[in-house]
Amino acid sequence: GENVEQHPSTLSVQEGDSAVIKCTYSDSASNYFPWYKQELGKRPQLIIDIRSNVGEKKDQRIAVTLNKTAKHFSLHITETQPEDSAVYFCAASKADRLAFGKGNQVVVIP
Amino acid sequence: DVKVTQSSRYLVKRTGEKVFLECVQDMDHENMFWYRQDPGLGLRLIYFSYDVKMKEKGDIPEGYSVSREKKERFSLILESASTNQTSMYLCASSYASGDYEQYFGPGTRLTVT
Repeated sequence: GENVEQHPSTLSVQEGDSAVIKCTYSDSASNYFPWYKQELGKRPQLIIDIRSNVGEKKDQRIAVTLNKTAKHFSLHITETQPEDSAVYFCAASKADRLAFGKGNQVVVIP
Repeated sequence: DVKVTQSSRYLVKRTGEKVFLECVQDMDHENMFWYRQDPGLGLRLIYFSYDVKMKEKGDIPEGYSVSREKKERFSLILESASTNQTSMYLCASSYASGDYEQYFGPGTRLTVT
């Protein structure tokens, strides 16, 4: 089955700086790549997603890039704010299910 | 707004008990999922269902079963709870197959003693 890995496991950034989280996947047939954010004590929520026919997608301060050849995709958060502190999960899907990575803890230092 | 609710936020059960976790969604979604979340292990899929009375095993189905008698309700059953099933259980639903947004419930923190 699909195997998704995230790096780094923990990331600390100064408020206002950028944060980048990278994920790799194993199944070249995967075609959908969402990112979920989970704040402490809350449920995961989708923040952005990308499909395999697109290389990059942006939504305000958040962007995702996809490199199908290298089988990796990345989440970029610019101008980080304290409310960006959370665990971020990437995932990959090719059909009926998502395979999630283990998650990245992002800490934004005021 | 999509609402996914779970029957309990916190649950404490004894080893060997039969445990039912229930999930209800109000958006007429076809697909429903059960995950468990453990520190450092991310979200692992236990079972999912793409239609009433249909179910598929996920990555870690051992020790669990599921039931989907109505479209809006998906139950996770621990036939004989064990301490290694102590975890956070998250239910999710989506409009269709795996390449659509999944909406998560608030989670049930299950402790088996």
